[in-house]
Amino acid sequence: YLLTQPPSVPVAPGQTATLTCGGDNIGGKTVQWYQQKPGQAPVLVVYDDSERPSGIPERFSGFNSGNTATLIISGVEAGDEADYYCQVWDSSSDHLHVVFGGGTKLTVL
Amino acid sequence: QEHLQESGPGLVKPSQTLSLTCTVSRGSISSGSYYWSWIRQHPGKGLEWIGYMYHTGSTYYNPSLKSRVSISIDTSKNQLSLKLTSVTAADTAMYYCAKVEDPGGWFDPWGQGTQVTVSS
Repeated sequence: YLLTQPPSVPVAPGQTATLTCGGDNIGGKTVQWYQQKPGQAPVLVVYDDSERPSGIPERFSGFNSGNTATLIISGVEAGDEADYYCQVWDSSSDHLHVVFGGGTKLTVL
Repeated sequence: QEHLQESGPGLVKPSQTLSLTCTVSRGSISSGSYYWSWIRQHPGKGLEWIGYMYHTGSTYYNPSLKSRVSISIDTSKNQLSLKLTSVTAADTAMYYCAKVEDPGGWFDPWGQGTQVTVSS
């Protein structure tokens, strides 16, 4: 199972960033999103398509339908500049295994 | 929330076995329905799932690594371990451990990661 993310997304401060994650009928799976800042470990920012862990600002929201899952970051701040990875579970083999997208670098202009 | 800390040799020679440990604190590795996983990241690249394990012994591996990887749990030490045999330069990466909220769930939290370089 393949997840496709655009390599980079530029956005001006205060604007809304839309990060996509494409996959065959990804709407039928649940999607997680991770934020990774340079030199740091990934951090979960959205799980189960649209749920936010405690401590994650409401500016982060997720949607999933059809062949595209989306992470939306509203009111982008300089501190949001990072790589973002989507993740699903695939059951096409004899057991569940994990698939990560290739990641999108969010650049705050 | 649990705290995860990876440890192990930063340098491994080609053809040898890479061995890493992930120590879990502020929680028990054998409680609840959580699984525990290893993920790696090649320099400048994306995330690659290695495998995951439940404390009762169930393990599942990335098919691309399955022939060389072994994950185990020591409940007495609250530790998760990774062994990767016959390493090459292609195994040079940052290695992370993470808690998994059930198979099908999310990875949270992650350890800070440990860098492993394969070189003679």
